[in-house]
Amino acid sequence: GENVEQHPSTLSVQEGDSAVIKCTYSDSASNYFPWYKQELGKGPQLIIDIRSNVGEKKDQRIAVTLNKTAKHFSLHITETQPEDSAVYFCAASREAGTALIFGKGTTLSVSS
Amino acid sequence: ETGVTQTPRHLVMGMTNKKSLKCEQHLGHNAMYWYKQSAKKPLELMFVYNFKEQTENNSVPSRFSPECPNSSHLFLHLHTLQPEDSALYLCASSPLGQGGNQPQHFGDGTRLSIL
Repeated sequence: GENVEQHPSTLSVQEGDSAVIKCTYSDSASNYFPWYKQELGKGPQLIIDIRSNVGEKKDQRIAVTLNKTAKHFSLHITETQPEDSAVYFCAASREAGTALIFGKGTTLSVSS
Repeated sequence: ETGVTQTPRHLVMGMTNKKSLKCEQHLGHNAMYWYKQSAKKPLELMFVYNFKEQTENNSVPSRFSPECPNSSHLFLHLHTLQPEDSALYLCASSPLGQGGNQPQHFGDGTRLSIL
């Protein structure tokens, strides 16, 4: 079955710096890769997603890149702010209506 | 407000109790999911329902019993749970249809503690 590895497990940056979180997946049939942000006491919130027919997607300060050949995808956050501090999860799935396979999460701390 | 509401938010129960978790989505989706989130482990899928029919059961013990009476409501019935079942239980929903995968939207979960 699918396996998703996520690195690093913790990441500390200064406000204004960039943060990069990387994930690898094992199932070449996976074609959908969302990223979620989870704040304390809340459920995961979708922040950006990418499909296998696209190499890069950007939404304001957040961007995701996908390398299908290498089976890895990354989340890039620029100009980080303290409110970006949270746990970030990558995930992968094969088709609609099936499970998302999650990475173990990255705890991002942005200090001012 | 995520559009997916879970109740209760917190639940403490003994191992011999029977309780139910409830999830309701107001997004018009037709797929619903139960996930388990334990400390230091990835979110794990438990069950998937598409158009009210269960399509995935991820080898979940029978002490967890899901019910999906319609596309807007999902329940997780609990009985004779074990201490290792203490976790955050998350419900999610997504559309199904043309265009491949669609985003799953999560509720804020039920924090379950087994005494």
